[in-house]
Amino acid sequence: GENVEQHPSTLSVQEGDSAVIKCTYSDSASNYFPWYKQELGKRPQLIIDIRSNVGEKKDQRIAVTLNKTAKHFSLHITETQPEDSAVYFCAASKGGSYIPTFGRGTSLIVHP
Amino acid sequence: EAGVTQSPTHLIKTRGQQATLRCSPISGHTSVYWYQQALGLGLQFLLWYDEGEERNRGNFPPRFSGRQFPNYSSELNVNALELEDSALYLCASSLERGAGYGYTFGSGTRLTVV
Repeated sequence: GENVEQHPSTLSVQEGDSAVIKCTYSDSASNYFPWYKQELGKRPQLIIDIRSNVGEKKDQRIAVTLNKTAKHFSLHITETQPEDSAVYFCAASKGGSYIPTFGRGTSLIVHP
Repeated sequence: EAGVTQSPTHLIKTRGQQATLRCSPISGHTSVYWYQQALGLGLQFLLWYDEGEERNRGNFPPRFSGRQFPNYSSELNVNALELEDSALYLCASSLERGAGYGYTFGSGTRLTVV
């Protein structure tokens, strides 16, 4: 089955810096890669996703890149703000009715 | 539009007891997915129900079971509770018909086994 590795497990940055979280996956058939943000005590929320026919996708300060050859994808957050502090989860799926496999999460701490 | 709703918010049970958790998906969504979020282990897939039937199951023992009702709401039952069952249990419904299109999660039920 699919295996998703996520790094780092903890990331501490200063406000205004950029943050990058990386995930690798094992199943070359995976074609859908969502990212979820979970603030303390709240539900995970989908913040951005990318499909395998696209190499990069941006939404304001966040972007996701995908390298299908290397089987890795990354979340980039620019100009970080304290409200970006949360646990971020990546996932990989073959789309459709396939159940996604999640990474173990990255705790991002943005210091004011 | 109401999101995914879960109840209760918190549940405290004694080892060996049974726990019942409830979930209502987004209106019009027929699928319900259950996840366990234990400390440091990320999101572990438990069960998927669609149209009243169990469609897929994660790597959990049979004492984790559930059902889906005609109105698409769902129950997760955990029998013979063990201390390591303490976790946040999340329910999700898919943005389109299929988990591969992204989830909307409920706020979860925090189960504590003492």
